[in-house]
Amino acid sequence: EVQLVQSGAEVKKPGESLKISCNGSGYSFTTYWIGWVRQMPGKGLEWMGIIYPGDSDTRYSPSFQGQVTISADKSISTAYLQWSSLKASDTAMYYCVRRTTVTTFDYWGQGTLVTVSS
Amino acid sequence: QTVVTQEPSLTVSPGGTVTLTCASSTGAVTSGYYPNWFQQKPGQAPRALIYSTINKHSWTPARFSGSLLGGKAALTLSGVQPEDEAEYYCLLYYGGAQLIFGGGTKLTVL
Repeated sequence: EVQLVQSGAEVKKPGESLKISCNGSGYSFTTYWIGWVRQMPGKGLEWMGIIYPGDSDTRYSPSFQGQVTISADKSISTAYLQWSSLKASDTAMYYCVRRTTVTTFDYWGQGTLVTVSS
Repeated sequence: QTVVTQEPSLTVSPGGTVTLTCASSTGAVTSGYYPNWFQQKPGQAPRALIYSTINKHSWTPARFSGSLLGGKAALTLSGVQPEDEAEYYCLLYYGGAQLIFGGGTKLTVL
């Protein structure tokens, strides 16, 4: 069974760093891209970027380029989303999603809630 | 800046049929935008329904179908069930790494 399991909720202060994770199981992790999606409170979905764990090829949406870093550790079938200096506006639910072809998305993680507040 | 537009809200009666659409500010949506559709219920992660305009995932109920309609991508629900009440999002591919979600349609079954 394909599963994407994300790390737990986080509460951070502005300026702190953070790395959240998405662990894939039930399939060959290195041969499918993993994307990240933001959902701010009460708002819609926003595409952030994507990584190919096989070679760590990473692409960012222009809106998120330079704001976050996407990475992966194929040895433990895990993709990451990280911030070096959080802002209150980073408060959101973050989802990972598997891409099977360039244009097909299927399985989603359960989401990680990030709260940034002083 | 490219914008993908969906109806903010729609209401349908149980057993009825409803069509949700997805438009691009760049012009007509074609199969080359490979529309994907997702369903999200309150407090849950999104669930994939449709990919590449018309294709269903193995778990997608038969009452959901995708198409192109009047220059837009469309998601039609036939024989709507109460459990179909949810937010629906489309996702369009603009080449390279560029993907854009629509703003979502809140579907009420009443």
